[in-house]
Amino acid sequence: DIVMTQTPLSSPVTLGQPTSISCRSSQSLRHSDGNTYLSWLQLRPGQPLRLLIYKVSNRFSGVPDKFSGSGAGTDFTLKISRVEAEDFGIYYCMQATQFPFTFGQGTQLEIK
Amino acid sequence: EVQLVESGGGLVQPGGSLRLSCAASGFSFSDYAMYWVRQAPGKGLEYVSAISYDGGSTYYANSVKGRFIISRDNSKNTVFLQMGSVSAEDMGVYFCSRVAGQQRFDYWGQGTLVTVSS
Repeated sequence: DIVMTQTPLSSPVTLGQPTSISCRSSQSLRHSDGNTYLSWLQLRPGQPLRLLIYKVSNRFSGVPDKFSGSGAGTDFTLKISRVEAEDFGIYYCMQATQFPFTFGQGTQLEIK
Repeated sequence: EVQLVESGGGLVQPGGSLRLSCAASGFSFSDYAMYWVRQAPGKGLEYVSAISYDGGSTYYANSVKGRFIISRDNSKNTVFLQMGSVSAEDMGVYFCSRVAGQQRFDYWGQGTLVTVSS
């Protein structure tokens, strides 16, 4: 199975400041079809999981442009340009390139 | 509006069985593969099982293979997870998700909690 490793596991952030989360996979996530199926998900208490980014850098419908994804191969990053109160929660990277699909451990974004 | 609502969680004894359901609405259910993913207490997310749009293909994580059965009823817009021979390792919140094109896990339910205890 592909192992997904996120850093940091906890990220204290000041409101209005930028932040980023890294995700590294144990092998390349480039699929034989040429796509890289790396997604970012957000989990907030009492809310369903929310898809933010798919295929590395594509924002899902309704996701504000303060969220951006980048990377290739085995190294990926989620950036939030200006953190707001509604952004606090747990962020997961997920690979859907190779079965079984696997997730990072999660990064807790918290108020500093 | 796309909605996924899980139910069926609760307290189950070790070695017991439980049937989870995920009711879908707001989209053409029979067009989408569906997944179950779980989160154990204090742990991250883990893929559990998947089923193709027509139920013809099913997939399981090694940790549940032979004990869990995924199925769906497209006439009722519902996907099920029959859990058997459960142990403490099966405790957690179980989420269902649909998978759209480009491997987008685009909508999720809020989850249903499974507790294993005697």
